[in-house]
Amino acid sequence: EPEVTQTPSHQVTQMGQEVILRCVPISNHLYFYWYRQILGQKVEFLVSFYNNEISEKSEIFDDQFSVERPDGSNFTLKIRSTKLEDSAMYFCASSDLGGEKLFFGSGTQLSVL
Amino acid sequence: QQPVQSPQAVILREGEDAVINCSSSKALYSVHWYRQKHGEAPVFLMILLKGGEQKGHDKISASFNEKKQQSSLYLTASQLSYSGTYFCGTEIGVSNFGNEKLTFGTGTRLTIIP
Repeated sequence: EPEVTQTPSHQVTQMGQEVILRCVPISNHLYFYWYRQILGQKVEFLVSFYNNEISEKSEIFDDQFSVERPDGSNFTLKIRSTKLEDSAMYFCASSDLGGEKLFFGSGTQLSVL
Repeated sequence: QQPVQSPQAVILREGEDAVINCSSSKALYSVHWYRQKHGEAPVFLMILLKGGEQKGHDKISASFNEKKQQSSLYLTASQLSYSGTYFCGTEIGVSNFGNEKLTFGTGTRLTIIP
């Protein structure tokens, strides 16, 4: 079965540093998302992306965050200046149709020291 | 506002049944159910749309009561593989962009023991 792939699986960074989390969504999918999960807590929506633009973002997704689809396959999340509270598992997801099921990647565990 | 799930945790013996509930204070367009095993990504189980629905596959089924803004997930004759944390994700509407965002509940941890 096709899957969403994320790299790296773990990322450790110093507070204030920039990180880029990478995702390759399923190839024929049109909708892309980033979610995050702080250890032991619920999965939280960050941003959705469709037709090369952000379609919705949460209050978590402030000016420090940005997303990009630099080519036909990758979908990236950039955090410009990481904070301790950004430590979480970041999941990329994609779906082929609006309102359909999300396929999640296996996540990138981000640790900000 | 996030949906409220109950119970927070449940322990079952293999073969027993469980019901997990998801309630929202807002009118819902759809409810999604996902299962997450420890250290893994959430995996889709099913979507229920407004209009009142029941769905199921294998021994896992769900209902959506639109008027009460509630959904329930039913697991019958539980198997060891059902262990994990179950999340409901709710949508309050769909814009022209399609699937916008899911607001997930805090999860229900299900443990199945032999």
